[in-house]
Formats: sequence, structure tokens, C-alpha cells
Amino acid sequence: DTEVTQTPKHLVMGMTNKKSLKCEQHMGHRAMYWYKQKAKKPPELMFVYSYEKLSINESVPSRFSPECPNSSLLNLHLHALQPEDSALYLCASSQVPGGSNSPLHFGNGTRLTVT
Amino acid sequence: GESVGLHLPTLSVQEGDNSIINCAYSNSASDYFIWYKQESGKGPQFIIDIRSNMDKRQGQRVTVLLNKTVKHLSLQIAATQPGDSAVYFCAETYTHNDYKLSFGAGTTVTVRA
Repeated sequence: DTEVTQTPKHLVMGMTNKKSLKCEQHMGHRAMYWYKQKAKKPPELMFVYSYEKLSINESVPSRFSPECPNSSLLNLHLHALQPEDSALYLCASSQVPGGSNSPLHFGNGTRLTVT
Repeated sequence: GESVGLHLPTLSVQEGDNSIINCAYSNSASDYFIWYKQESGKGPQFIIDIRSNMDKRQGQRVTVLLNKTVKHLSLQIAATQPGDSAVYFCAETYTHNDYKLSFGAGTTVTVRA
């Protein structure tokens, strides 16, 4: 089992809905990430939080809004999504911010379907 | 065992044989490399990593080889088992790269009984 927990596992939402994805880790990691993964493709970086502050936004549309309430929790708020936003949304964490010497640990993702 | 000289999207291997999955990277500044395994319905799972000051690193049934001269990374799996069926991604980054991992396209490994 992964040490990064994501809820819900599956989510179906209409284009006018507002929903939130949640992620939790208790490994004491200080960097947390949101990735988007389409079928048969590698994960694509969306956001990075470093010490609870947003450090990277990879030009993600504003209908995706991240939030980091504390060092263990990461949320992704969704509003007015499009069908092409359907994907697997992965949360990850790493011990320290920065690329090297600190592998990312991923959760099992939320499978999102926008109808 | 199975050997793939260039990156291929799929690899079929007989149970019990050794598997080799290849990955080419383009950034000569990359100094940290990771292999992930992603099973159906799950997130990527960390397998093994290697820094650029090493050529080889071994784990349990897995070995990662790094050839910086030709910018090539490989993952060897010994005595491949049905549970090894998954998509395998290599990832690279370099120090002070703003937390960004660059993932390869992935190789789907299917183990034949």
C-alpha cells in the first residue's frame, strides 16, 4: 500500500459541478505535488508545494485550484471542468523540495470523469 | 533474457527470464534518475534510483545501469515474475531543477506464463 493516500478513488462530475480531490501523507515530507495522467501517457506536472507554499504552477487553467492546508494535506479544487480534463490525478510527495536525491512517492490517484 | 537496444513501448517476456528495459535521456545536465513501476489502477511506485556519479546500482531483483556517455539508462529485472507486469517509466532531473522530473514515454511489460 502507498503511504500517500488519495480520496476519492473515483469521481464523476458534470461540467457545472464543484468538487475537491484530497491527498494526505504522514511521512514528514515537505514537498507535495499534483500530476495529471492521461491513458498510456506519463504523468504531467501541474503544481508543486514546497513548505506549504505554492512554488510551481505549470500554466494550469484556473478551473483547477490547489490548496495546502498544512504539511500533510493537499487539496485540488475543481470547478467548471471540461470533458478533456478527464484523467487520473496523482498526488505525490518528496522528503525535501528539489529534484535530486529525493524520489517522489505517489498515491494511487483519483480517476476523474467529466461528463 | 529479453534485451531491447532502443526504447520500445512494449516488451513481452517469458516468466523466469531476465528483462531489460531501456531509456534514453537528452539532457546531459541530468544527475539523478529514477525508475517507477505503474500497475493497472495504481500510481507509479518507486523501484530504484541512481545518481550520475554511479554507473550501476542494485536492488532486490533489479539493477539500474547508467551510461552517461551515450545518455542511456536501463533497468534489468532478474527472473521476471507475473507480478512484474506493469508500465515502467524512467524519470530524470538535475540539481536545482525546480522539483521537475522529466518522465520517459513508458514501456509496458507483459510476462508470459
